[in-house]
Amino acid sequence: DTTVKQNPRYKLARVGKPVNLICSQTMNHDTMYWYQKKPNQAPKLLLFYYDKILNREADTFEKFQSSRPNNSFCSLYIGSAGLEYSAMYLCASSRDGQGSYEQYFGPGTRLTVL
Amino acid sequence: SQWGEENLQALSIQEGEDVTMNCSYKTYTTVVQWYRQKSGKGPAQLILIRSNEREKRSGRLRATLDTSSQSSSLSITGTLATDTAVYFCAATGNTGKLIFGLGTTLQVQP
Repeated sequence: DTTVKQNPRYKLARVGKPVNLICSQTMNHDTMYWYQKKPNQAPKLLLFYYDKILNREADTFEKFQSSRPNNSFCSLYIGSAGLEYSAMYLCASSRDGQGSYEQYFGPGTRLTVL
Repeated sequence: SQWGEENLQALSIQEGEDVTMNCSYKTYTTVVQWYRQKSGKGPAQLILIRSNEREKRSGRLRATLDTSSQSSSLSITGTLATDTAVYFCAATGNTGKLIFGLGTTLQVQP
């Protein structure tokens, strides 16, 4: 099973409120990623876990948190949502964190912040 | 950005036609992957081509990689309406991360 699941598929949030998005995979992949995708823009890597080690991109370091309680699950947490957070959030997993292998993507969570 | 000055592209063709999409990148790359994203789904990998390969085929798909010009292309022969999607190229640079291009929206008319 090469399915990556994301919950919820759609999320409506108020400005200033927290948001928690969930991703799961059963492929026993070492690495799990979170990307942000806005219309007419490339998917932007926010952070990734290699095993238990979290790597956050420098320009989004303070905006997003994540946790990986076990190999299968990974969350993306926004402490205080702003209008600019409205986007599609894509979770992916792969065998390694070196970009040499296929990344398997979930269907995404569409976050709308009002 | 790892990618060249590419504009977001949109192509509309008739079923049965062939199509080629191009990407260029700025920095050293070891691997280029092509992904396809259909409406309501996440991106799915089509082809992975490494820096020591010039060409790779998979069914109706053909990817090329030219490390001297730092460019890659994806060709689809005999397109079908079901090929309608956004196509992304993604390159692995020296950071080990996958950097995506803007994508090409392909509409195949039946």
